[in-house]
Amino acid sequence: GAGVSQTPSNKVTEKGKYVELRCDPISGHTALYWYRQSLGQGPEFLIYFQGTGAADDSGLPNDRFFAVRPEGSVSTLKIQRTERGDSAVYLCASSLTGTTGELFFGEGSRLTVL
Amino acid sequence: QKEVEQDPGPLSVPEGAIVSLNCTYSNSAFQYFMWYRQYSRKGPELLMYTYSSGNKEDGRFTAQVDKSSKYISLFIRDSQPSDSATYLCAMSDFNKFYFGSGTKLNVKP
Repeated sequence: GAGVSQTPSNKVTEKGKYVELRCDPISGHTALYWYRQSLGQGPEFLIYFQGTGAADDSGLPNDRFFAVRPEGSVSTLKIQRTERGDSAVYLCASSLTGTTGELFFGEGSRLTVL
Repeated sequence: QKEVEQDPGPLSVPEGAIVSLNCTYSNSAFQYFMWYRQYSRKGPELLMYTYSSGNKEDGRFTAQVDKSSKYISLFIRDSQPSDSATYLCAMSDFNKFYFGSGTKLNVKP
C-alpha cells in the first residue's frame, strides 16, 4: 500500500485480556516505530525497529508490552494482561532511514480497556 | 524539563490570518526538525521536514529553525478553516524522535 496501515482501527477489550495490534509499514522502509498517544498529548515513544531487530525498546512501560517484526516488514505490538491505563491510541510510523529521515504515521489503533 | 516544549493553545484565528506556531527545545544535538498536522481521530500527517538551521517554504507553509536559540516555528499564511487541527513539532538526534504535546488551532470562517 501507499501508506502505513494499522489494524484494527478500534479495539475494545476487558481488563486482563491479551491484545495484538498490527502495523504494515511503507514498502521498503527499514525503520519502524511504535508510539502511544493519550488525549491532548504528543506521541510517546515505545519501541524502534531497524530491520528485524529492536534497536531501542526503552519506551516500553513494563514487561506486559512486547513487539516483534520477524521478517523486517509487518510488526505486531502485543499487550498482555491489559489494564485500564493502557487505553490510548497506538501509532505506528515508518521511515526509510531511521532518525535522519522523514517519519510517516499510520492512522492508529484506538485501544479501550474496560 | 521536557525535551520539547510546545504551547498547547488552543489558538483561535479568523480565516485569512497568518498563524505562528512555535516549539522550544533543550537538546543541542537535535539536527532534524518536523511539523505534523493531526486531525481529530487521525494519525499525524507530515507537513514539513528540515535539516539544521534555516527556512523552508512549501505553499502556504514556512518552517523556520533557529538552532542558536533552540527555537522552531511554523507559519501558515492565508489560513483556512481546513487548517483547523492540532500541530505537532518533532525533532531528532541520531537516536530518537521527540515530540511536542501539540498546539490546537481553530480557524474561524
